[in-house]
Amino acid sequence: AQKITQTQPGMFVQEKEAVTLDCTYDTSDPSYGLFWYKQPSSGEMIFLIYQGSYDQQNATEGRYSLNFQKARKSANLVISASQLGDSAMYFCAMREGLQGGSEKLVFGKGTKLTVNP
Amino acid sequence: GAGVSQSPSNKVTEKGKDVELRCDPISGHTALYWYRQSLGQGLEFLIYFQGNSAPDKSGLPSDRFSAERTGGSVSTLTIQRTQQEDSAVYLCASSSRQGANRYFGPGTRLTVL
Repeated sequence: AQKITQTQPGMFVQEKEAVTLDCTYDTSDPSYGLFWYKQPSSGEMIFLIYQGSYDQQNATEGRYSLNFQKARKSANLVISASQLGDSAMYFCAMREGLQGGSEKLVFGKGTKLTVNP
Repeated sequence: GAGVSQSPSNKVTEKGKDVELRCDPISGHTALYWYRQSLGQGLEFLIYFQGNSAPDKSGLPSDRFSAERTGGSVSTLTIQRTQQEDSAVYLCASSSRQGANRYFGPGTRLTVL
């Protein structure tokens, strides 16, 4: 079974609107972390936001927020007020065993977001 | 300050040749990671170095792949007897400590003809 599932291969949004990118995960470890990265066409991976499994509040970073629903094992990324520069691939990733576990990040296959003017 | 750098940015080689890919992590970062991104795929973990500890090699796909990290800084990923399926973008990342966020380099695009 896939550890990280991103069901939307592509998404389109109008500039200035909000968009939600879906991510579901599979783990039996109670201690884990969830990451979102952005990869523009230039290729570099840019960290956006992090959510720990024990964090009490949903993470927010500027226009990015994470809709963390632990019971449903989902960690959707919400981008508010989309900008043309937000057009990129977006990857969800998970690290299990935060207390002394593996440093391995497992990535989903990504969602390609296109922001239309 | 400078980010993670990788060289070369592009490498074209013939099947059966050996290649070396280099990664310079952010100064002071003790953790270093190698990932591989194939066309249309997500990222695949290859290997992880943390300080002087033994590396986590659990993601290396075959014994043709090896990596070393000299002096706790620069790392080299070596692929011996390259195959066409090795064609991918190889990404290096570093972090300031175990568990911290990873900062990725621009990648090396490897094409095996």
